[in-house]
Amino acid sequence: EAGVAQSPRYKIIEKRQSVAFWCNPISGHATLYWYQQILGQGPKLLIQFQNNGVVDDSQLPKDRFSAERLKGVDSTLKIQPAKLEDSAVYLCASSSPTANTGELFFGEGSRLTVL
Amino acid sequence: KNEVEQSPQNLTAQEGEFITINCSYSVGISALHWLQQHPGGGIVSLFMLSSGKKKHGRLIATINIQEKHSSLHITASHPRDSAVYICADLIQAGNQFYFGTGTSLTVIP
Repeated sequence: EAGVAQSPRYKIIEKRQSVAFWCNPISGHATLYWYQQILGQGPKLLIQFQNNGVVDDSQLPKDRFSAERLKGVDSTLKIQPAKLEDSAVYLCASSSPTANTGELFFGEGSRLTVL
Repeated sequence: KNEVEQSPQNLTAQEGEFITINCSYSVGISALHWLQQHPGGGIVSLFMLSSGKKKHGRLIATINIQEKHSSLHITASHPRDSAVYICADLIQAGNQFYFGTGTSLTVIP
């Protein structure tokens, strides 16, 4: 079974530039999460999708971050304009509530460095 | 809001030692996950449990629902066990996860 795919793995940009991250969850997983993990901290939820609808985006800095999951499958997270404090690993995860297992699968993450 | 606390934050052990990492949470949950993150690597799910105990190789996870507490044990620790271990609990309503800050484990040969 293919895992959660993310790209790019690494990105370096200057502040005020924009960046986009892509995630393809495990096939059939209805729930998709984007997390931000700053070095030394646990993952922080940015946004949770159920199919193509947003379940929770309360911690998403909406003035600069946006995310979409138009067809309920893959998802894109965008940051525009980036700030220094956005340097982090952006993790995508998926789970299948319909299977009632609640198991969570993570991608390898996209490491962003803002200079 | 659910609070998930882990201890210790950092742990250094000699190869072969028995290791315990603790996790406590503040509200009732559907399941608790133990995750492993190697430096520069992605996060891998080790265990998902809602009661009792699970074992996989040298890893054992236990949970006490009444006390809202879980432990991850590593027997006969090895340098390749060096990683950050994160507990996360699942609130079934809304399928939401809350993460601890992680325990950074270093096993010295």
